[in-house]
Amino acid sequence: GAVVSQHPSRVICKSGTSVKIECRSLDFQATTMFWYRQFPKQSLMLMATSNEGSKATYEQGVEKDKFLINHASLTLSTLTVTSAHPEDSSFYICSARTASNYGYTFGSGTRLTVV
Amino acid sequence: GDSVTQMEGPVTLSEEAFLTINCTYTATGYPSLFWYVQYPGEGLQLLLKATKADDKGSNKGFEATYRKETTSFHLEKGSVQVSDSAVYFCALSRGNYGGATNKLIFGTGTLLAVQP
Repeated sequence: GAVVSQHPSRVICKSGTSVKIECRSLDFQATTMFWYRQFPKQSLMLMATSNEGSKATYEQGVEKDKFLINHASLTLSTLTVTSAHPEDSSFYICSARTASNYGYTFGSGTRLTVV
Repeated sequence: GDSVTQMEGPVTLSEEAFLTINCTYTATGYPSLFWYVQYPGEGLQLLLKATKADDKGSNKGFEATYRKETTSFHLEKGSVQVSDSAVYFCALSRGNYGGATNKLIFGTGTLLAVQP
């Protein structure tokens, strides 16, 4: 079945640095990629939606200059957390859809800790 | 706005016990409803779905019925196994299941722990 590879699975970074998270669709073309964030004991909150070759659409309250999303190809999308701060510590997870299959395929998530 | 509320966990059961995880939703129109499961260290996987009122989704012994009158989509399984231990997420998607940009709105997730 469809597989999305997300890495790193865990990352610890210093405050003020940037961190890049990658999601790759291994056996299908991801027309649309969704990026979610999850706080402990809370829902997965949608951060942004990106279509291949287009600018991402950010949800209300999400800083687009802080959370940079690139979806330059049909198999790769990246989320870069710029100038990370401890409050950015969270679980980030991606989900991909293809135009021909309306299912959502999720990555395994990235645990980001900013110290 | 649209939202999903599901029971807090953890839910701890003995093997072969009956499982119910409650899920209710708030949405206008007729959303599609989903249950996703996340096993330790893995991504979310679709467990089952229902796209219209009175539909019953089922998979791997799990069932959930789309109840428009009570805005609910409770997950049930008659006899749980240790291998069912995971986090279960209820979710909705607006409009039809189709449309590549339809986004999922999730509940908080419920941790199920099944003991031998």
